[in-house]
Amino acid sequence: QLQLQESGPGLVKPSETLSLTCTVSGGSISSSNYYWGWIRQPPGKGLEWIGSIYYSGSTYYNPSLKSRVTISVDTSKNQFSLKLSSVTAADTAVYYCARRRDVDTAMVRFGFFDYWGQGTLVTVSS
Amino acid sequence: SSELTQDPAVSVALGQTVRITCQGDSLRSYYASWFQQKAGQAPVLVIYGQNSRPSWIPDRFSGTTSGNTASLTIAGAQAEDEADYYCNSRDSSGNHVVFGGGTKLTVL
Repeated sequence: QLQLQESGPGLVKPSETLSLTCTVSGGSISSSNYYWGWIRQPPGKGLEWIGSIYYSGSTYYNPSLKSRVTISVDTSKNQFSLKLSSVTAADTAVYYCARRRDVDTAMVRFGFFDYWGQGTLVTVSS
Repeated sequence: SSELTQDPAVSVALGQTVRITCQGDSLRSYYASWFQQKAGQAPVLVIYGQNSRPSWIPDRFSGTTSGNTASLTIAGAQAEDEADYYCNSRDSSGNHVVFGGGTKLTVL
C-alpha cells in the first residue's frame, strides 16, 4: 500500500521560506506515468493545486504561485520537496502531498490524485 | 477564482439520489475527477476518467460528463456520504491542474 507523509516546520515567520518534504513508502517515486504533487487548503476553504513534479525533475506550477514555488525530487531518498518563499498569513494552510496520474491519448484525457498524505498544518505568524 | 464552478451546498434525503455538478470550459476536453473530504481528513478519490472508481469506493458513486458539465451522482445516499466534494481537472490551457470550489453535501 502506497503511503505518503508530509514533514516540516508547523510555524513559519512572515517573509521567510516554507519548506516541506513528502516521503513516499510502499512504492517507488521513480515509477513511470506518475507525477507527485503538492496541494494546500487554507482553514475553512477549498483545495488549491500548488504544483507537480515528475521523477525526472520536470515541474508544473500554479501560475498564481509560480514566482515563489520550487518543487524538487530526491529519488535516492524516495522524497520530493516544496519550497514557498516570501510567505504571508495568506499562505497559512494544511499542505498535502499526493500522487498524480495523467492520461493523454487521442481518445481520452484525464488526471487524478489517487494517494494523499494526511496533511500538515503550516501557520505563518511572527 | 476557480475555472471550475460548483454549487456551494447541496442536500439530499437519506436513501435518495443526489447529483453534484461541476462546470468549466476545460471539461469539454478533459474528464474531471472527484474527491470526497470529511472534516479533518485528507481528500479521497471517488471518481476519475470517464466513470471509474477506485476499488475502495462503493458502486453507488458514479460520474458523467455532458458538454462543459461534469456530474457526480450518489444513488441511495448514506449518512456517511455527508462531506465536501471537489471536482478536479485541467485549466483551459491544459497545462495546469485546477480544483472546483467544493460542494458541501448534507444528508438529511
